[in-house]
Amino acid sequence: QSVLTQPPSVSGAPGQRVTISCTASNSNIGAYYDIHWYQQLPGTAPKLLIYANSNRPSGVPGRFSGSKSGTSASLAISGLQAEDEADYYCQSYDSSVSGSMFGGGTKLTVL
Amino acid sequence: QLQLQESGPGLVKPSETLSLTCTVSGDSINSRSYYWGWIRQPPGMGLEWIGTIYYSGSTYYNPSLKSRVTISVDTSENHFSLKLTSVTAADTAVYYCARRISGSYGYYFDYWGQGTLVTVSS
Repeated sequence: QSVLTQPPSVSGAPGQRVTISCTASNSNIGAYYDIHWYQQLPGTAPKLLIYANSNRPSGVPGRFSGSKSGTSASLAISGLQAEDEADYYCQSYDSSVSGSMFGGGTKLTVL
Repeated sequence: QLQLQESGPGLVKPSETLSLTCTVSGDSINSRSYYWGWIRQPPGMGLEWIGTIYYSGSTYYNPSLKSRVTISVDTSENHFSLKLTSVTAADTAVYYCARRISGSYGYYFDYWGQGTLVTVSS
């Protein structure tokens, strides 16, 4: 089964730009399938933040952006705000099990 | 506006069966465009995909849970359900239901329920 690896934590000051990486362990799956990102505010359900590598659902601020190259993807948050403090998860498709896989999550702290 | 709502017992005894239902409102579970899924999150830990189901009843399960999981759908009631047998403390988690949508290369979850905490304890 494939694995998505994220850093456990990142931090930044208000107004700064931070990035969160997501790397797939399986080169075949990682390079072919899209990466999606979710934001989980404390005590709430995950919310779709970025889909298909770089697309924002309606209502998601333009400060959030995503990119993917090969087996690695990144979520970037610019103009960091206190309300961005949350856990962020990447997710992709694992064809070996015909199902979804999530990264371990990254806790963003706004200093 | 699509809404998903989990329901079921918040406390289950070890070795018994965990049963949850996800009621969908604002859209028909019969839609051919979507699958419906269950995801769980142990306290303080990350997200784990449990399984997904199509309105026709076709299912896919996480291999690590496959021997204990059954997901079913009731289109007349517009809900789908999760059963997890022989539970242990390791199954204590917040259980989420979600709608899975197809992208060009893969799938993602665009709507989530609020989640329900299930504790396994005697």
